[in-house]
Amino acid sequence: KAGVTQTPRYLIKTRGQQVTLSCSPISGHRSVSWYQQTPGQGLQFLFEYFSETQRNKGNFPGRFSGRQFSNSRSEMNVSTLELGDSALYLCASSLVGDGNTIYFGEGSWLTVV
Amino acid sequence: SQQGEEDPQALSIQEGENATMNCSYKTSINNLQWYRQNSGRGLVHLILIRSNEREKHSGRLRVTLDTSKKSSSLLITASRAADTASYFCATESNSGGSNYKLTFGKGTLLTVNP
Repeated sequence: KAGVTQTPRYLIKTRGQQVTLSCSPISGHRSVSWYQQTPGQGLQFLFEYFSETQRNKGNFPGRFSGRQFSNSRSEMNVSTLELGDSALYLCASSLVGDGNTIYFGEGSWLTVV
Repeated sequence: SQQGEEDPQALSIQEGENATMNCSYKTSINNLQWYRQNSGRGLVHLILIRSNEREKHSGRLRVTLDTSKKSSSLLITASRAADTASYFCATESNSGGSNYKLTFGKGTLLTVNP
């Protein structure tokens, strides 16, 4: 069974640009969540989706957005990139997102220059 | 905000020794999960323990949970160089808008010397 797949794995963007990251959950998993990992702030929750609906959102500015498609695949978008957005963005999936094991992908390394 | 706090922040041991990492948290939880992360990689799920459980085992791993003290511990027995990684505890709660998300601690960096 394939794990959580994230693309791209590495990318470099310039301040002010926008970026879209993609995540394919484990087959059968309907909950997809996103986390940001930085050396200073650690792992922080961005948002969670289930059946195309956002059920929870972390304390991030509106520049961070996401969506989920009917096949459970998800994308997150960051607009007007800032240097501080440089981070490892991790996608995770679980069966229903509450009380189940949550599995993570390898992440997308974003560098903003 | 960080829910879990791992202790110690860093741990260095010799191969074959046991490694114990602790995690404390602040609010009531549904479950607690432990993850391993090798440098620059994603998180690998190790074990999930529910709030009504006190101890779980998986191979060389043993996890305990004390909800009265709001703490958990991860024991890795007979450590190997390949166990070198950062270890995180993460809690899942269903109160105060905490549904459907994990709240992580800052992690323990474990180094196992050959």
